Formats: sequence, structure tokens, C-alpha cells
Amino acid sequence: GEDVEQSLFLSVREGDSSVINCTYTDSSSTYLYWYKQEPGAGLQLLTYIFSNMDMKQDQRLTVLLNKKDKHLSLRIADTQTGDSAIYFCAARSNTGKLIFGQGTTLQVKP
Amino acid sequence: DGGITQSPKYLFRKEGQNVTLSCEQNLNHDAMYWYRQDPGQGLRLIYYSQIVNDFQKGDIAEGYSVSREKKESFPLTVTSAQKNPTAFYLCASSAGTSGSKFFGPGTRLTVL
Repeated sequence: GEDVEQSLFLSVREGDSSVINCTYTDSSSTYLYWYKQEPGAGLQLLTYIFSNMDMKQDQRLTVLLNKKDKHLSLRIADTQTGDSAIYFCAARSNTGKLIFGQGTTLQVKP
Repeated sequence: DGGITQSPKYLFRKEGQNVTLSCEQNLNHDAMYWYRQDPGQGLRLIYYSQIVNDFQKGDIAEGYSVSREKKESFPLTVTSAQKNPTAFYLCASSAGTSGSKFFGPGTRLTVL
């Protein structure tokens, strides 16, 4: 069935770049999303990419999509302590269903 | 400001009691969703509604019920039939099923 996988934890130093990876199984996925969740809060939509694109940049965020390998990554440049959160990857199938990964906890050390 | 509100933020109930979680949106979105979040498991879809007076079961609907009498509101009832109801519940909405989903702040339900 449809599945989205992420590594569970990433630790970086303030000022470094963070790269969070995600793989998905549904080749018909039309949109791929990155959400951020701070402790005790809902999910905030960070960015998304359409499946016919291979890169999207938005300020400090860069999304890379390798459709052949069904691999998505989120790069955060100049990572700050305020970026510490759980990051969810999600894939939307052509039926509209959204499948979420387990979330990657990003820890930013000062 | 447009957005999604959920209330209450924290909810405590005794085992065997039904409880209703509120979700309201003023984004004029047609579609609304309820997700359950457990540690290390990501989000799982409970119910969704694409239009007023219509809703469909998601992946884990057993023990839950919903209603959609108004476009703005999509309350979720956690019934006593739900075996493990303690979790963080997230409501979301989108302009259509193809639109980006926007989430509310969540309700943490603890059943004692």
C-alpha cells in the first residue's frame, strides 16, 4: 500500500544546514508537502512541490524531488534554534488522499 | 484573521464516557478532516468531509463519529467504543480535496 518513510531524528549545530529526507511508494503522488510541528501545536504548512518539478526554493528552504527514486528532501540553510521541531513529509495521491510520514525530530544545538 | 480553531486544548475524560471535540474554520473551505497523532506514528485519518451533510470514514474510523451540519464546523465524537482514545487530535481543512491542508492547533485528549 501507500507509505511514506522518514528518519526519526536529526541533530545539527546552529548555523549549519539541515537535510531531512523522505521516501514514498506511490508513484502517482501529485503533490508532496513539508509540514512543521512545534511542541503541543498543530502542523504548519512549510512548502510543497508538484510532481513535475525537481526543485523548489523558498528563502532558507530548498525542496528536492527525485521522482525516479521517489525521494524527497528538505534542506534548511543556516539552521536556527527556532527551527527545532518535528518535520512531516506527506504525499498526495491522485485520489486526493494525503499520506504522512512518521515525522523527523530536528534538534538544533547552539 | 482566517484560521482553524479547536477546543479545548486539553481534555480529560473518564473511561466509558463519550466526548466531543470541536473544530471550526472561517476559511470558507469545503473539505474538513480529523487526524489522530500518536508518538512515532505520524498522522492517521479518522474521518473527512468534502461537503456539508456528507462525510466518509478514513483509515481508523472505528469508535469515532462526526457530523457536518454547517460548512464551518466538523465536530468529532470519541465514543466509549474507541479502545485507546488517549492521543493528540488534529483537525484540518482545505479548499477542496486537491487543495493544501491547513491544520488547527490540536486537542490533547487523555482518558483516565
